Amino acid sequence: EVQLVESGGGLVKPGGSLRLSCAASGFPFSSYTIIWVRQAPGKGLEWVSSISSSSSYMGYADSVKGRFTISRDNSKNSVYLQMNSLRAEDTAVYFCARRRGNSGNYDSWGQGTLVTVSS
Amino acid sequence: AIQLTQSPSSLSASVGDRVTITCRASQAIRHDLGWYQHKPGKAPKLLIYAASTLQTGVPSRFSGSGSGTDFTLTISSLQPEDFATYYCLQDYNYPYTFGQGTKLEIK
Repeated sequence: EVQLVESGGGLVKPGGSLRLSCAASGFPFSSYTIIWVRQAPGKGLEWVSSISSSSSYMGYADSVKGRFTISRDNSKNSVYLQMNSLRAEDTAVYFCARRRGNSGNYDSWGQGTLVTVSS
Repeated sequence: AIQLTQSPSSLSASVGDRVTITCRASQAIRHDLGWYQHKPGKAPKLLIYAASTLQTGVPSRFSGSGSGTDFTLTISSLQPEDFATYYCLQDYNYPYTFGQGTKLEIK
């Protein structure tokens, strides 16, 4: 069974840092692009970042570029999102998802982890 | 960045109704678009990818069409479990973007 499990969320003060993890199982992890998506309270879904299977390609939303860094460790079947200089507007549930093939195909998602940025 | 504009933003409909949601891209994105259903407290669920390919296990009442800049998601006969928020997502190029969402409510 394909599984993605996010962890690392919590309460952090503005300007602080947090590292999210996405642990995968049930599929050949090293062959798949992984993305992070977030949903702020009362808002829609927002794509945050992507990393290709071999870490050759990475992308970021303009809202997080320069503050967030995505990485992966294929030996640990995990993707990470290092979040620095956090702001109140980064408060959201963060989901990771697996890209299968191409063309908008993100077929498996985790249940999300909540990040709250507040003093 | 490519903008995706969904319409309508919200929609009231009844069980059995046919519903169509549109997603317009600010530039051509071939068929690099997926449709997602999202319910509160749950993970988003893939319905359609490559603009018109039904994801395995998704009921056939869901269908997608379009390419280039104009896309549609159609639900042929609404069921009670279909009331949710729907999003389109483009991954043609970075930064990937979602539409703002269409909230489908029971009339």
